[in-house]
Amino acid sequence: SAVISQKPSRDICQRGTSLTIQCQVDSQVTMMFWYRQQPGQSLTLIATANQGSEATYESGFVIDKFPISRPNLTFSTLTVSNMSPEDSSIYLCSVDLAMNTEAFFGQGTRLTVV
Amino acid sequence: EDQVTQSPEALRLQEGESSSLNCSYTVSGLRGLFWYRQDPGKGPEFLFTLYSAGEEKEKERLKATLTKKESFLHITAPKPEDSATYLCAVQAPTDGLTFGKGTHLIIQP
Repeated sequence: SAVISQKPSRDICQRGTSLTIQCQVDSQVTMMFWYRQQPGQSLTLIATANQGSEATYESGFVIDKFPISRPNLTFSTLTVSNMSPEDSSIYLCSVDLAMNTEAFFGQGTRLTVV
Repeated sequence: EDQVTQSPEALRLQEGESSSLNCSYTVSGLRGLFWYRQDPGKGPEFLFTLYSAGEEKEKERLKATLTKKESFLHITAPKPEDSATYLCAVQAPTDGLTFGKGTHLIIQP
């Protein structure tokens, strides 16, 4: 299994500002994923982050709004830029272990934009 | 486009009353079908991955099965601590997970 730590666990931010969410894994992983879970909804994939390459974004998500860094095999960040109340969600980091036998999630970052 | 549909949206059972949750899916080349449990305010907790039709996996009171079109999560003699939202997700060969909306399960003592 993998232990995934996300920081911060929650935050309340003013509209127009940006928040960077950190994801730390206790082992080296090739693929890391960022998801969004809006209130009362299921999880939606934002982007896939592989070390050494640009993140791949899903339809409806763009790099200017959600820039991602992946400096090494155990760490990634997601920034939510120029926030609006519609960005209020839980943001979750996930990792795939070898051959996708299991995919683990962090505890999430609960973001409220006021 | 990958799609996952879970039913029912919500289910209320008495303690000890067995039932099944359904996950219907369409995906271009199934790499894996995942089941998660999510408690309020927490990230999804991994339960199972299934890879091919006919495969079954068990964990305590939970048993997951897979066909070419759907998966079932069977809950046998559930307890109140089994109350949670159960999420199903599929993965195509080069993608992240596509999730269903989940089944909110309540087990009453």
